[in-house]
Order: sequence, then C-alpha cells, then structure tokens
Amino acid sequence: QLVVTQSPSASASLGASVKLTCTLSSGHRNDAIAWHQQQPGRGPRFLMKVDSDGGHSKGVGIPARFSGSSSGADRYLTISSLQSEDDGDYYCQAWDIGIHVFGTGTKVTVL
Amino acid sequence: EVQLVESGGGLVKPGGSLRLSCAASGFTFSTHSMNWVRQAPGKGLEWVSSISSTSKYIFYADSLKGRFTISRDNAKNSLYLQMESLTVEDTAVYYCARVNYYDPYMEVWGKGTSVTVSS
Repeated sequence: QLVVTQSPSASASLGASVKLTCTLSSGHRNDAIAWHQQQPGRGPRFLMKVDSDGGHSKGVGIPARFSGSSSGADRYLTISSLQSEDDGDYYCQAWDIGIHVFGTGTKVTVL
Repeated sequence: EVQLVESGGGLVKPGGSLRLSCAASGFTFSTHSMNWVRQAPGKGLEWVSSISSTSKYIFYADSLKGRFTISRDNAKNSLYLQMESLTVEDTAVYYCARVNYYDPYMEVWGKGTSVTVSS
C-alpha cells in the first residue's frame, strides 16, 4: 500500500535553512514524489517533483533557494535562506496507477 | 497565464447534491489529466478523483463510496465534480489541479471552492 510519511513540524530562524523529509512506504522506494506548499489561508502551490536519484523539476517561478534531493526511500525538500513567507504547510504527494496520496504535511515555522 | 477557477460551492443540507465546476484557461486543456483534491477545515489534502485527458480513465478515492462523479468537457475547457448524498464529512474546500503531461503529479492548482454540508 502506497503511503508517504512526513514529520508534523519543523522550524528554523529567518535566513537559516530547513530540510523536510517525505518517506515512501515499502515497495515504493524508487518512486518520485511532488512537493506542494500551502501558505496560511491560501491554496496549494506546486514546488517541485523529486526523483529517486535526487533530480528535481521545479514549478514556474519557484525560487532557487528551494531544492530537492533523495536518499533511499526518503525524499527531501530543503529551503535555504528562510524568509517569512515560507511559513506554512508543506505536503508531499505520491502516486500509483489509479491513486494519489498526500502526506499529512509538515508545518514550517520561521522563527 | 495558466489558470484554474473553481465554482459551484456553497451550503447544502445532508443528503443533498452539488455540482462543482473548474474553468481552465491559458493552456491546452484537452491534453492534460485533471484531479479534484479536497481539504476539510484544519486538515490536510485529500485526493478525491482523477480523469484522463480523453475521459477514458477515471479513478476515485475509496472513501467516496461511489457518491461522486468526475467529468470533463474539453470543448468548454471545463472539469466537473457531481457530488451526491453529501454528509457533514464532505465539508471542505475543493481544489481542481492540472496533472503534468509526462508524470501524474499535480503542477497547477486552482484557488478552491468551499462546500459546507450542514442542516
């Protein structure tokens, strides 16, 4: 069964970096995932797709301080030079034939 | 500019029906699969349904128990979600999302339309 697991929260100071993790369930460790950002009170925004080899494809207008990487079943989203507008929820999304799943989201707080 | 605009949300009584629409612009709608995703108040994102570019392939989340029907009209650049037998658990903001042409991830989102099921 396809499941993606995320930590509930993360925080870092303004200008620092934060690394979020999305872990794929057994049998899906070679799958790609997508990261989506949801700022408070707004709809989701696609950030990037991250492949199993760490390659990533960003959405239109996504700043260079957002990057993706991979290790085993883990897919990462790193936000560098944190800004106040990076506050919000970050969801990973995985897929298989006929199904999409979202993680429970990681709430990022910029201190 | 690529844009997705949802409409049709509102207040409906338990057991009622509602039809959501999503108007697409700024891209060739007929070449992309589309999804509906919902978010209950204070909760995370939940995938609802997918439809391929020609409507040949349609999928639903198991939790819907056959109450929802997704459809599209490529001539009108529109996506629809017919919702029946609504319960309070269907209260959510409903988003439409465009699927990437090569990989089935959601790459463009609408702003959502709010559905409230309450007596």
